[in-house]
Amino acid sequence: KNQVEQSPQSLIILEGKNCTLQCNYTVSPFSNLRWYKQDTGRGPVSLTIMTFSENTKSNGRYTATLDADTKQSSLHITASQLSDSASYICVSLDTGGFKTIFGAGTRLFVKA
Amino acid sequence: NAGVTQTPKFQVLKTGQSMTLQCAQDMNHNSMYWYRQDPGMGLRLIYYSASEGTTDKGEVPNGYNVSRLNKREFSLRLESAAPSQTSVYFCASSAGLTDTQYFGPGTRLTVL
Repeated sequence: KNQVEQSPQSLIILEGKNCTLQCNYTVSPFSNLRWYKQDTGRGPVSLTIMTFSENTKSNGRYTATLDADTKQSSLHITASQLSDSASYICVSLDTGGFKTIFGAGTRLFVKA
Repeated sequence: NAGVTQTPKFQVLKTGQSMTLQCAQDMNHNSMYWYRQDPGMGLRLIYYSASEGTTDKGEVPNGYNVSRLNKREFSLRLESAAPSQTSVYFCASSAGLTDTQYFGPGTRLTVL
């Protein structure tokens, strides 16, 4: 069964610290993997998108990595800010885009 | 440039009532989607439209119907609402099925 599992479920960090969120996926055949940020009460916003041939992709303080062999991805946030408090959602897409599987998300709380 | 807009933002229905959720995008995207998001779960695809004139079922289509009115607009209809349809509904659009999806602000629906 195609799945996307994220860990941890929630995370609390102090402002200025770094953190890494994990994503394991089993979607096959795999096309690409995306990370979205969802602020409370808003729709998700795309952070990064990576195909199976890409190992890393950055967007400002956000860096996503992908290991297509182990089917794992991570999202690293550098020098966290209060505005980083949100849910981070990992999404895997099969070839053709017909099976888009969303993870349940990691809820990140950044404290001052 | 509003992106993806959804109406209404909030709605309360009684069991058995019907309603239509409206979605419009101004990015000239070909593909549009309807998702529902429930607590502790990832977004689940209800229906999608790969291009104007086509619609297809997603993961959880039962109890819903859709209409791709034109390239800009994609509506979701609940014919006879049930409490299990209490959720937050998101519309999204993308240039193509494998491209980045852009989400609307969501509609929070409660069925009593």
